[in-house]
Amino acid sequence: QKEVEQNSGPLSVPEGAIASLNCTYSDRGSQSFFWYRQYSGKSPELIMFIYSNGDKEDGRFTAQLNKASQYVSLLIRDSQPSDSATYLCAVTHNNNDMRFGAGTRLTVKP
Amino acid sequence: GAGVSQSPSNKVTEKGKDVELRCDPISGHTALYWYRQSLGQGLEFLIYFQGNSAPDKSGLPSDRFSAERTGGSVSTLTIQRTQQEDSAVYLCASSSAFSPQHFGDGTRLSIL
Repeated sequence: QKEVEQNSGPLSVPEGAIASLNCTYSDRGSQSFFWYRQYSGKSPELIMFIYSNGDKEDGRFTAQLNKASQYVSLLIRDSQPSDSATYLCAVTHNNNDMRFGAGTRLTVKP
Repeated sequence: GAGVSQSPSNKVTEKGKDVELRCDPISGHTALYWYRQSLGQGLEFLIYFQGNSAPDKSGLPSDRFSAERTGGSVSTLTIQRTQQEDSAVYLCASSSAFSPQHFGDGTRLSIL
């Protein structure tokens, strides 16, 4: 079983819709959860992190964490074509041992 | 600059040659990671350095791959006797107890 699992996609949503990206993890002791965005040909950039159960909102982005279900998600409201990228979920057991999922490719169609 | 710096940005070499890739982490970051990413694929963990501890080499794909980190700062990833399947983007990231991983721009390695 992979430590961090994501649906590889591609996930396609129309412009203005909500994109929902999901991630599950196997290590119940995981403490910190991150979402990175990677545009084609570029390196990953951190867009959200969450440590506690519940929701965390930052602009159009909302991260949701459910430790009991070992599930973390990223919602993107009012999706824009510029949001088209691969989104990587990352999980740490402590702050310096981060493991990545394979990523979900998102396409937002105008 | 203040970010993770990798060099060279591009490297083209012939099969069988050795290559060295360099990573200069963010100042003060104690952890340093190397990843490999083939076209259209996810991140493949290679090696992880944390302070003065022994590195986690569990991701190195073969004994042709090695890495060192001098003085707890700059790291060099060495690939000996390169093969065509080594062609990929090699990404370096650094982090600290107070900062998650930040990535460099990567080195695009092409083996002819």
